[in-house]
Amino acid sequence: DAGITQSPRHKVTETGTPVTLRCHQTENHRYMYWYRQDPGHGLRLIHYSYGVKDTDKGEVSDGYSVSRSKTEDFLLTLESATSSQTSVYFCAISGQSGTEAFFGQGTRLTVV
Amino acid sequence: QQQVKQSPQSLIVQKGGISIINCAYENTAFDYFPWYQQFPGKGPALLIAIRPDVSEKKEGRFTISFNKSAKQFSLHIMDSQPGDSATYFCAANRGSTLGRLYFGRGTQLTVWP
Repeated sequence: DAGITQSPRHKVTETGTPVTLRCHQTENHRYMYWYRQDPGHGLRLIHYSYGVKDTDKGEVSDGYSVSRSKTEDFLLTLESATSSQTSVYFCAISGQSGTEAFFGQGTRLTVV
Repeated sequence: QQQVKQSPQSLIVQKGGISIINCAYENTAFDYFPWYQQFPGKGPALLIAIRPDVSEKKEGRFTISFNKSAKQFSLHIMDSQPGDSATYFCAANRGSTLGRLYFGRGTQLTVWP
């Protein structure tokens, strides 16, 4: 899995609670991404990072925030989880221009 | 608005047959078109990718056909095997940040032995 570790792998949380998902890479790649995967929707980009402290929004960023204080870690935070955020979340990394994107194993989040 | 449209949603093929999955896009700025394969419980993995300067790319049993004028591209899996049973996603990207992808909704392929 190209040196990508997502944690936790599974989480059940209650509506209204904050949740943080972690993505850790050992490849020293510049770019990191958070996607969510939902049945019938494929994967959709939430946020991405192009360097330490440099982040930008993706297609479905509402309700999510991210932080990247070190090259190897990219955190996704749901400030107040809602049932619509029940999903499988994937982290991805890519290197300099022309290198493919590698995906982690995913985190299955259930908001009850 | 779906930037990449994929069909069919599901596909059942006999072992040894040809699997064909189609995708279409609107944004002519896209310049990188990968296909990802995903097994249950795993993350997507790059299968094969193409740039619009070629019309076809082949890697083993997997071939991408690309029609720039029609803004369509397709994945052909020759001699399909039960081990090919997975979900396949087409995607598109513009620029050099190859992880910033717009995905199709996926095709669940089942290959019967």
